[in-house]
Amino acid sequence: NAGVTQTPKFRILKIGQSMTLQCTQDMNHNYMYWYRQDPGMGLKLIYYSVGAGITDKGEVPNGYNVSRSTTEDFPLRLELAAPSQTSVYFCASSLEEGSNQPQHFGDGTRLSIL
Amino acid sequence: GNSVTQMEGPVTLSEEAFLTINCTYTATGYPSLFWYVQYPGEGLQLLLKATKADDKGSNKGFEATYRKETTSFHLEKGSVQVSDSAVYFCALRSRGSTLGRLYFGRGTQLTVWP
Repeated sequence: NAGVTQTPKFRILKIGQSMTLQCTQDMNHNYMYWYRQDPGMGLKLIYYSVGAGITDKGEVPNGYNVSRSTTEDFPLRLELAAPSQTSVYFCASSLEEGSNQPQHFGDGTRLSIL
Repeated sequence: GNSVTQMEGPVTLSEEAFLTINCTYTATGYPSLFWYVQYPGEGLQLLLKATKADDKGSNKGFEATYRKETTSFHLEKGSVQVSDSAVYFCALRSRGSTLGRLYFGRGTQLTVWP
């Protein structure tokens, strides 16, 4: 039972560099989400997707981009890394829109921008 | 709008003590309510949930009751263990949301000493 898998687990970037955070799930979930978690704060939604080919912005999308070419994969891209993007990033998925469906989370990617 | 307010931590208890972590919410419509737990270095895991008023969610000795009249979903455990040390997040998912996104509280750090 792999569930939601995120790579890498840790990464240090220099200001202005770009990178892609990978997320894949093997549960055939249509809904996928990217969150960031800052110290002492809850999770904030960056982007989400309701199915392959469909993505939309969450509450903090600036500086990020996503794509969803397959049901399984939902990569998050940082084009020009900034110190404000230092955070822990979580990918999640859920089966459907139904309000009693839980979201399943990956173990996170810890990203530092120096 | 939708929001979740949790009691601020950190909470420090001795083993076998009684635990309460308060959570209140505001929501449009009739939300489902969740408690997630995050162990050190890991992603969030669903601990328990309740989908309608007066429902009681329970798991691993933890309980929470959906109280519509007080808009609350307090987490309780009668006798905590060292292994319960983690960050606990209260969250809601609104039925009215076409996204089905989760709204998280800020999290409460629990440390249990032997």
